[in-house]
Amino acid sequence: EVQLLESGGGLVQPGGSLRLSCVASGLTVRDNAMSWVRQAPGKGLEWVSVITTRGDTFYADSVKGRSSISRDNSKNTLFLQLDNLRAEDTATYYCGKDVTGIAGGDIWGQGTMVIVSS
Amino acid sequence: QSVLTQPPSVSAAPGEKVTISCSGSSSNIGKYSISWYQQFPGTAPKLLIYDNDNRPSGVPDRFSASKSGSSATLGIAGLQTGDEADYYCAAWDGRLSVGSFGGGTVLTVL
Repeated sequence: EVQLLESGGGLVQPGGSLRLSCVASGLTVRDNAMSWVRQAPGKGLEWVSVITTRGDTFYADSVKGRSSISRDNSKNTLFLQLDNLRAEDTATYYCGKDVTGIAGGDIWGQGTMVIVSS
Repeated sequence: QSVLTQPPSVSAAPGEKVTISCSGSSSNIGKYSISWYQQFPGTAPKLLIYDNDNRPSGVPDRFSASKSGSSATLGIAGLQTGDEADYYCAAWDGRLSVGSFGGGTVLTVL
């Protein structure tokens, strides 16, 4: 079964950091464009970041300079490092395969919740 | 503010057809493939349409989509109460080098 499993969310104070993980099974992370998408409570989906098969990385303006997407091919895992967290970063974070690509995001994780609050 | 614009809500009666529009520009929908997603509360999005008008296996043919220029449309025929969900369009924006989702459309089946 093809599956993505996120972890690493939690409660963090403003200005803090978190590293989200997304472990893939049944698909190879390095062979796919992998994205992070977030959804604030009661709000719509917001694209956050993508790492391409070539390793190129792109970020939404809302997180640029405060986040870093990466992957560990040996662990078949995608990461999102979030630094200098703000209240507006509070959201459920999903990892997904090729969510804005030609093949569409047919594989998504279940999401991990990040709450930024003092 | 998303670069893709969707109506906040649409509604129709069971059995009817509804369309959801997604308006963009030449740097996103006009140049790249668009995807459509369905999301129920508390769950991850589900891919409905990829590459503008293609349905993944398992998605009923009641769901269809088209693209023309910088706009796209999702159609849902034979509406069922189980179709009540949020629907999102998504595309890459080549000018901004970012992915983008529309603001989402809430479908109500009256």
